[in-house]
Amino acid sequence: GNSVTQMEGPVTLSEEAFLTINCTYTATGYPSLFWYVQYPGEGLQLLLKATKADDKGSNKGFEATYRKETTSFHLEKGSVQVSDSAVYFCALFTGTASKLTFGTGTRLQVTL
Amino acid sequence: GAGVSQSPRYKVAKRGQDVALRCDPISGHVSLFWYQQALGQGPEFLTYFQNEAQLDKSGLPSDRFFAERPEGSVSTLKIQRTQQEDSAVYLCASSLVGGSKANTEAFFGQGTRLTVV
Repeated sequence: GNSVTQMEGPVTLSEEAFLTINCTYTATGYPSLFWYVQYPGEGLQLLLKATKADDKGSNKGFEATYRKETTSFHLEKGSVQVSDSAVYFCALFTGTASKLTFGTGTRLQVTL
Repeated sequence: GAGVSQSPRYKVAKRGQDVALRCDPISGHVSLFWYQQALGQGPEFLTYFQNEAQLDKSGLPSDRFFAERPEGSVSTLKIQRTQQEDSAVYLCASSLVGGSKANTEAFFGQGTRLTVV
């Protein structure tokens, strides 16, 4: 079956630091990959996605590259801000499934 | 409304009580999903509707869980005889499209936090 593994949090960074949140997956079939973000008190929001190998998804300064050879989709940002503090979820779906499979989430805390 | 709306935002139920959670999807959205998110975990799929048809209910954990979307818009998730392990945030998501592409364009509500005491 499908599964997603994320690095455990919380990840605590100072403002303007470089961010990496690791995500690896196993999937039956050829998955599409996603990063969702959950800000405090808000619902899940799609941050970025990639639907085929070597695609790079990007949004709001965040990037992730679909690496089929390493089954990974690591999230990166060059310079984090306090406003990026949130929980980040890696997710996938395959064409045979009618659902998203999520990782357990990684909490990011950015301090001044 | 502008987004997916869920009500109530918070619900406290005594063990054994029945509860009903409501989801108002974005107007015109064909697909509707329910997910369960336990504390410190990622969302877990419960069920999927395309219009009024429940196409996948493989994630419902027991026959105490029941979902409906009778007119293809508003959906209700009902949990009978609640147990402590049912305590979680219940998320609803909707998508304009149907089929597998619905997963690429889903909008989530803020969720209903259910606490069973």
